[in-house]
Amino acid sequence: GDSVTQMEGPVTLSEEAFLTINCTYTATGYPSLFWYVQYPGEGLQLLLKATKADDKGSNKGFEATYRKETTSFHLEKGSVQVSDSAVYFCALTQYSGGYQKVTFGTGTKLQVIP
Amino acid sequence: NAGVTQTPKFQVLKTGQSMTLQCAQDMNHEYMSWYRQDPGMGLRLIHYSVGAGITDQGEVPNGYNVSRSTTEDFPLRLLSAAPSQTSVYFCASSYSEGQGGMGIQYFGAGTRLSVL
Repeated sequence: GDSVTQMEGPVTLSEEAFLTINCTYTATGYPSLFWYVQYPGEGLQLLLKATKADDKGSNKGFEATYRKETTSFHLEKGSVQVSDSAVYFCALTQYSGGYQKVTFGTGTKLQVIP
Repeated sequence: NAGVTQTPKFQVLKTGQSMTLQCAQDMNHEYMSWYRQDPGMGLRLIHYSVGAGITDQGEVPNGYNVSRSTTEDFPLRLLSAAPSQTSVYFCASSYSEGQGGMGIQYFGAGTRLSVL
């Protein structure tokens, strides 16, 4: 079945450091890929998405590129802020027979220190 | 625009008690889902619905029951609470393929449940 693998956290960075959170996936067909962010005490919210190979999703300074050849969707940000401290989830969605199946990674906690 | 609303936000139950977690969405989404979030395990799908009157089991359905009588509401029932059901529960809704939106999930703020 489909699966999503994320790097284990927590990841601790100083403010203004460069961020990479790795995400790789296994899926049949052509999934859409997503990054969600969960701030403390809240539900998940969409950060960015990409729907086909070589697409780049971007939002709030975060970027991720859909790499079909390496089955990856790594999240990057050039300069993190304390306010970026949260848990980040990689996910994929596949449509099959009218049914939408969503598979989440286990999440990576990011802590940014001043 | 309220989005996805979950109630209650917190709940403490004793083993064997039953309760219903409420979920409502005002975006006319066809798909609705219930997840539980446990440390180190990400989100696991409990039950889902592809439209009013249609529900199915997810990855961890045992001990839970759902129904979908309207597009807006998707309650989750715990039949006889057990300590293993201590978790954070999230409801989510999304567009179906025919409605567009490419599978984006919209989450509620969660219900934190403790079973003693």
